Amino acid sequence: DAKTTQPPSMDCAEGRAANLPCNHSTISGNEYVYWYRQIHSQGPQYIIHGLKNNETNEMASLIITEDRKSSTLILPHATLRDTAVYYCIVRPRSNDYKLSFGAGTTVTVRA
Amino acid sequence: EAGVTQSPTHLIKTRGQQATLRCSPISGHTSVYWYQQALGLGLQFLLWYDEGEERNRGNFPPRFSGRQFPNYSSELNVNALELEDSALYLCASSLVRAAPYNEQFFGPGTRLTVL
Repeated sequence: DAKTTQPPSMDCAEGRAANLPCNHSTISGNEYVYWYRQIHSQGPQYIIHGLKNNETNEMASLIITEDRKSSTLILPHATLRDTAVYYCIVRPRSNDYKLSFGAGTTVTVRA
Repeated sequence: EAGVTQSPTHLIKTRGQQATLRCSPISGHTSVYWYQQALGLGLQFLLWYDEGEERNRGNFPPRFSGRQFPNYSSELNVNALELEDSALYLCASSLVRAAPYNEQFFGPGTRLTVL
């Protein structure tokens, strides 16, 4: 699986957009980008995924660069409840469905 | 719709004992995954079961084992417990036939403490 690189931590002001970067320069053509988050002591929560087009759902937007070597997760209006560890995961479209979590980005939303 | 459930919430054992953790997937999901989250080590993939069969295994010793029942619920067994097995054990489920997207939905976890 392609490796991902994320900043270890970032702060965000409540009500502002939070932009979380992820580098996946070794991504291959059949690999999807997934984002999960884990609020303290809870199980990870699926946020969004994409292949090459930008995606949006009720939780977030995912912007993938044209060369697919990096992506950005956007939380449009961060709330205190968005404080969590955010994981960017790259996984191939294959029969191996495990998720390989890295260290993620610890996002702290401040009032 | 009920989410993934796990039991017990907390489990305390001593070294050398065996621990059994249980997971019930979301209704209709056929795949169950187990992950270990030890302090300072992050989330690590343990086991994947689908349709009653073990499909993949992470880099863990054989004393970590499990099974999936006909109703798709699953058990994780850890034999000969060691202190470093203390961790949060997370179960996730998905519908493999919905591939390639295959979002995994996680339960709240079982906190295992080995004394």
